[in-house]
Amino acid sequence: LAKTTQPISMDSYEGQEVNITCSHNNIATNDYITWYQQFPSQGPRFIIQGYKTKVTNEVASLFIPADRKSSTLSLPRVSLSDTAVYYCLVGYLPYGGATNKLIFGTGTLLAVQP
Amino acid sequence: DAGITQSPRYKITETGRQVTLMCHQTWSHSYMFWYRQDLGHGLRLIYYSAAADITDKGEVPDGYVVSRSKTENFPLTLESATRSQTSVYFCASSEGGAVDYEQYFGPGTRLTVT
Repeated sequence: LAKTTQPISMDSYEGQEVNITCSHNNIATNDYITWYQQFPSQGPRFIIQGYKTKVTNEVASLFIPADRKSSTLSLPRVSLSDTAVYYCLVGYLPYGGATNKLIFGTGTLLAVQP
Repeated sequence: DAGITQSPRYKITETGRQVTLMCHQTWSHSYMFWYRQDLGHGLRLIYYSAAADITDKGEVPDGYVVSRSKTENFPLTLESATRSQTSVYFCASSEGGAVDYEQYFGPGTRLTVT
């Protein structure tokens, strides 16, 4: 099982770019990397997913090096509303039921200040 | 209402009692999941289901039972609640598959076992 490691917390200011890195040294060939955002008293919300290289959507970018042993979530020009916990998830689920392959990191608390 | 709902939102029970947490989704997603979230552990997968009548264990299944007779419902039962099962429980669903899945999380159930 791939174990993930993230920084416990990060601080930033409004308008800055924030990069949060997740380490997953034991990632398997079939594993995908997904990032979620969670606000207090809410369930996590999907941000972005990738397998290798770079993925970009309207809210974030995900950078995955060739060895796939880490990944970096990049949030451009953060605002106060981006203050949340960000989770890295590594794994996949084959059809028909199989051994658990989903491992969440312990999350990174991003605090954005004015 | 469309989406994924959990009930109850808050529950206090006594040690040894049986408790069932309900989860309902309206998207007809194939996959459904149960997680628990505790300080210091992030999100941990308890059980998941790939389709009706197909379930499998996650990382922390002991003390829990699940069933899935209908696609839209995925109840989680604590057969004999213990204090260590005090936690916030999240249900999620996804279209699933081996690639490109996004999980949609419910609002959570805060369970306290006294």
